[in-house]
Amino acid sequence: GAVVSQHPSRVICKSGTSVKIECRSLDFQATTMFWYRQFPKQSLMLMATSNEGSKATYEQGVEKDKFLINHASLTLSTLTVTSAHPEDSSFYICSARLGHMNTEAFFGQGTRLTVV
Amino acid sequence: SQQGEEDPQALSIQEGENATMNCSYKTSINNLQWYRQNSGRGLVHLILIRSNEREKHSGRLRVTLDTSKKSSSLLITASRAADTASYFCATDGTSGSRLTFGEGTQLTVNP
Repeated sequence: GAVVSQHPSRVICKSGTSVKIECRSLDFQATTMFWYRQFPKQSLMLMATSNEGSKATYEQGVEKDKFLINHASLTLSTLTVTSAHPEDSSFYICSARLGHMNTEAFFGQGTRLTVV
Repeated sequence: SQQGEEDPQALSIQEGENATMNCSYKTSINNLQWYRQNSGRGLVHLILIRSNEREKHSGRLRVTLDTSKKSSSLLITASRAADTASYFCATDGTSGSRLTFGEGTQLTVNP
């Protein structure tokens, strides 16, 4: 099956710094990628839809200036958490699909972000 | 907000027993999917059932879909300790490519 690789798997950063998370589709091209946030023992919350070559579409309540998304190529989307604070600590996961309808989603391994 | 609601939230069984998880949703769907997540990892796709299908099997997995009740169930037969994980249903709506995830069921299979 298709592979989505996410990096890094874990990151610890200081308050006020920025962190970049990469999501790559290794063996297919993804015009659309999805970024989720997950709190402990909770479900995935969609943050934004990343579109290659255009602006990301953010879900209601997600600050676009805080969570910068760039999808500059068909195989790479990045999420940058700017000026991170402890409340941004969470598990971030990306995914991509081979098509739009009736297809499965492939997920990255996730990134555990801890802001100290 | 999450469309899907799953029950139970947590399920603990003995190896060899069957595990049944349920999912309900609110809007029209193209398909419903089930995913598994091991602790601290990404999600892995298990099975997809289309809106015009009622039942689907894959190995020890059996999924049913009742669109009139807007509900689905996932049955894992002859469970193993390695089945311990969180299981999520996800609905694929009629208007786009985004999936909406349920709250998940934490399954523990005791050896």
